Amino acid sequence: QVQLVQSGAEVKEPGASVKVSCTATGYTFSDYYIHWVRQAPGQGLEWMGWIRPNSGDTKFAQKFQGWVTMTRDTSIGTAYMELSRLRSDDMAVYYCARDPGGSSPKFDFWGQGTLVTVSS
Amino acid sequence: QSALTQPASVSGSPGQSITISCTGTSSDVGGYNYVSWYQQHPGKAPKLMIYVVSNRPSGVSNRFSGSKSGNTASLTISGLQAEDEADYYCSSYTSSGPYVFGTGTKVTVL
Repeated sequence: QVQLVQSGAEVKEPGASVKVSCTATGYTFSDYYIHWVRQAPGQGLEWMGWIRPNSGDTKFAQKFQGWVTMTRDTSIGTAYMELSRLRSDDMAVYYCARDPGGSSPKFDFWGQGTLVTVSS
Repeated sequence: QSALTQPASVSGSPGQSITISCTGTSSDVGGYNYVSWYQQHPGKAPKLMIYVVSNRPSGVSNRFSGSKSGNTASLTISGLQAEDEADYYCSSYTSSGPYVFGTGTKVTVL
């Protein structure tokens, strides 16, 4: 069955970087976009960007351009999201989600989420 | 890109129907049929409930339905059940984003 398994919780100091992984199983990794979405404590969902695994192409929300990096390793079916220059308001649960794109875009499977705590 | 506008809360009694609105602009909800709805229980990842305005994934109850008129999309839950109590978010493709979520709606079953 389709599963997206994310790396474990992280605690980082302000100004540091964090890299979260998302490992896909149960389907052909290259056939689906991977999106990253975050949710601050008690807040709503915020779309960050996507990566197209077969090409490595990326697209980011304007807010995150210049300080988020999305990569992938197709040999192990894993996507990565790295956020730099962390601030306290970057503390959130970060989710990856799969999307077939095309004429039927949707986030149909989600990872379990990775809590990133930013604290000195 | 501003978040789509949803009511903060909607409530209903078991068995009733409720509707959650999701208002955007002609650059997102009004301009594309790529509207999705997600259910999120506390501490859990979101779950896809509706995609491309009105399509239900396999396994999602037919008590959930979606529609769109102009710049506003809607999610209707009929025959409300206790298990439907959760947060609900809409999402739309946008001409600039390219994706944006709604502000979220807390559904309470009285």
